[in-house]
Amino acid sequence: DIVMTQSPLFLPVTPGESASISCRSSQSLLHSNGYNYLDWYVQRPGQSPQLLIYLGSTRASGVPDRFSGSGSGTDFTLKISRVESEDVGLYYCMQGRHTPALTFGGGTKVEIK
Amino acid sequence: EVQLVQSGAEVKKPGESLKISCKGSGYSFTKYWITWVRQMPGKGLEWMGIIFPGDSDTRYSPSFQGQVAISADKSISTAYLQWSSLTASDTAIYYCARLYGGSSWSGLDYWGQGTPLTVSS
Repeated sequence: DIVMTQSPLFLPVTPGESASISCRSSQSLLHSNGYNYLDWYVQRPGQSPQLLIYLGSTRASGVPDRFSGSGSGTDFTLKISRVESEDVGLYYCMQGRHTPALTFGGGTKVEIK
Repeated sequence: EVQLVQSGAEVKKPGESLKISCKGSGYSFTKYWITWVRQMPGKGLEWMGIIFPGDSDTRYSPSFQGQVAISADKSISTAYLQWSSLTASDTAIYYCARLYGGSSWSGLDYWGQGTPLTVSS
């Protein structure tokens, strides 16, 4: 089974500054088609999770360009530029390389300082 | 408009059975997988299993195999998650989400609103 490890667990951020979350996979998520099957999701307080980034770096519809995803193989990063108060929530990475079996990371809680 | 609408909150006793639902609308239900995700109180997201309503192909996470049953009725665009005997450890919020079944990947792009389940004597 693929294990997804996120860090840090908690991330206090100052509005206007940037923040980064790391996600590591126990196996490569790079498909032979050249795409990394790694998504990022955010769960804002009291809401359902919401797709932010898919295929490692493609923003979902309506997601501000302050959010960016990077990485390949087993190491990935979600960067939030110019953090806003509405960015508070739990952030998860998820692998889809072995679809239809999926695996989520443990989550990172982003809080405003 | 794409929507996944889940059945309402449940309060059950240990040993009881339960079936919760997730109804899709605004898209071709048989072209997308429906997956179920558990979130225990104060915890993260856990993938439970997935079904392709087009042919009922179903897969389970090893952690949930034998503990729950996933099914779908494509005639009414509805997927289900079922327990035969609940325990207190099933207390959680359960989400459904869709995943495109074709060759392109676009993640879990729509989610249901969640079904809270409380199991208590």
